[in-house]
Amino acid sequence: GQQVQQSPASLVLQEGENAELQCNFSSTATQLQWFYQSPGGSLVSLLSNPSGTKHTGRLTSTTVTKERRSSLHISSSQTTDSGTYLCAIDPNTNKVVFGTGTRLQVLP
Amino acid sequence: DAGVTQTPRHEVAEKGQTIILKCEPVSGHNDLFWYRQTKIQGLELLSYFRSKSLMEDGGAFKDRFKAEMLNSSFSTLKIQPTEPKDSAVYLCASSQDWGQNTLYFGAGTRLSVL
Repeated sequence: GQQVQQSPASLVLQEGENAELQCNFSSTATQLQWFYQSPGGSLVSLLSNPSGTKHTGRLTSTTVTKERRSSLHISSSQTTDSGTYLCAIDPNTNKVVFGTGTRLQVLP
Repeated sequence: DAGVTQTPRHEVAEKGQTIILKCEPVSGHNDLFWYRQTKIQGLELLSYFRSKSLMEDGGAFKDRFKAEMLNSSFSTLKIQPTEPKDSAVYLCASSQDWGQNTLYFGAGTRLSVL
């Protein structure tokens, strides 16, 4: 079955609202990374966070390794945040297993 | 530092042609991945190299797809012969050691097969 599940599948926000994206995985992970992909664009690395909490700009990621889950919090969303957010893990095999993605739309 | 460089950015091919896509990983990176991305299938692994050795090829892609890494700073993906269903975005990514470090993607090559 799917090793990495993301929720919600899609999210629509008004500009200025906060977003909370979830990533749940079924196997232990030695690495976890969040990516952003704009429509028609490539994948841009946002945060590598295999455990604990990390911040960068308006982004905060919290990964609880024992519970096999990670979250990505986007504060004060902007229209330019619209796109797809993917999490990816390494289930200790050096493979890259991508999640199902969350499509975010931020309205002006 | 330069990121992952992919060329060309766009490629148009006739059915049956041979095309070669190129990737330059970040200097010093040991892991290199090739992916294909379509709206329907999402991201599909084509090949994975570690220190220039092929560690995994995406089984279903073996017959017409061949990735090579002749040196640590350059990789190619050959598709021979191309078919219309190969139309997709091809992405290359590299990492110093993916299990411990960040994975970086190139801008991709958009392939259209007519």
